[in-house]
Amino acid sequence: EDQVTQSPEALRLQEGESSSLNCSYTVSGLRGLFWYRQDPGKGPEFLFTLYSAGEEKEKERLKATLTKKESFLHITAPKPEDSATYLCAVQGLVTSGSRLTFGEGTQLTVNP
Amino acid sequence: DSGVTQTPKHLITATGQRVTLRCSPRSGDLSVYWYQQSLDQGLQFLIQYYNGEERAKGNILERFSAQQFPDLHSELNLSSLELGDSALYFCASSVRRSSTDTQYFGPGTRLTVL
Repeated sequence: EDQVTQSPEALRLQEGESSSLNCSYTVSGLRGLFWYRQDPGKGPEFLFTLYSAGEEKEKERLKATLTKKESFLHITAPKPEDSATYLCAVQGLVTSGSRLTFGEGTQLTVNP
Repeated sequence: DSGVTQTPKHLITATGQRVTLRCSPRSGDLSVYWYQQSLDQGLQFLIQYYNGEERAKGNILERFSAQQFPDLHSELNLSSLELGDSALYFCASSVRRSSTDTQYFGPGTRLTVL
């Protein structure tokens, strides 16, 4: 069974204070690892897909990296508008269909 | 805006009742997924349809059922509702059946069972 663990559960940063969120996963063959951003009461918003170890993707202040056991979401010089819950999900090779298995998320708060 | 629409936005009902949640996927997307998000369990996969056929099933209760219609919209039916069914229900859509293409989520339906 695919499993995803995210840490920390919550993170408070000052504006401009860079940090990283962690996503550890267990999967029988990784088809893809996904990062989403979710604002309160809204649907998850797609950020990145990573397919293989060593891959990196960037978007504005966010950079996602992938190893064989975990992924990191690096946030450089965050702004208050980056405050949200960041969700990590995996899709396994032996998983039926294309279901995503999500972690519990990291709730990020960026104070001005 | 992801292009996935869900109605209604909010639903308040009583225990024992039955409700229907509706989802329209992005234009061109053939796969529709349903997820449940509750406070204590995070986002949980319920069921996937591809071009009208059931493709995968997750931890979906027998009281719940879904279908995808020829115009590709989908409905999730929840019956004999219990207090514990209160949650956000999200629909997502993607283009292909089983490759690693992106799932785009709708705004969700918040169900409250009193």
